[in-house]
Amino acid sequence: QLQLQESGPGLVKPSETLSLTCTVSGASISSSSYYCAWIRQPPGKGLEWIGTIYYSGSTYYNPSLKSRVTISLETSKNQFSLKLNSVTAADTAVYYCASGIAAAALLGLDFWGQGTLVTVSS
Amino acid sequence: DIVMTQSPLSLPVTPGEPASISCRSSQSLLHSNGNDYLDWYLQKPGQSPQLLIYLGSNRASGVPDRFSGSGSGTDFTLKISRVEAEDVGVYYCMHSLRTLFTFGPGTRVDI
Repeated sequence: QLQLQESGPGLVKPSETLSLTCTVSGASISSSSYYCAWIRQPPGKGLEWIGTIYYSGSTYYNPSLKSRVTISLETSKNQFSLKLNSVTAADTAVYYCASGIAAAALLGLDFWGQGTLVTVSS
Repeated sequence: DIVMTQSPLSLPVTPGEPASISCRSSQSLLHSNGNDYLDWYLQKPGQSPQLLIYLGSNRASGVPDRFSGSGSGTDFTLKISRVEAEDVGVYYCMHSLRTLFTFGPGTRVDI
């Protein structure tokens, strides 16, 4: 059973870089058993997938965000991180990290952090 | 890109009665391994989303058996056999085919 916790600044200035970290406990995310993702939810709106990283380090991003997003693993700390550059007010959202079991197939994002609100404002 | 649609977008329900939500994808979600890469999530008010169903029809751990998922290819359905008050929230389908994920717009379920 994994527990996930997002951390990072709650306020970011326009044009700057949003940086968040997800700390995982309960298992090693470097295991081939897991995949990790970032999802965001603007206030009052639906869920938007940002990107996914696998134990191998392979990453896949939402095409609408791909030019601005980087997701990486820090296996020594059992963390994965999100960087979103050149932010605007449209990037204001609750950001969730999530993880799931990757077996012969992806078995859904079964573990979620509590979410962290990031506001983009000067 | 695969586009996900859901219907209805709002669903009033009555406790004890069944409920059903439809999810459609613009392309088949059937993988060559025989699995449909379609998951269902419920976001209860003020909470993080939680996984209900994965690979189209498999209940996640701890999910009550009143929830069931069915369908294949491009058409999927989430059914609640008997709605309980705790089932209110927004239900999302999400595909995870071809390494890119997309959520549906969500269906708000209220009593």
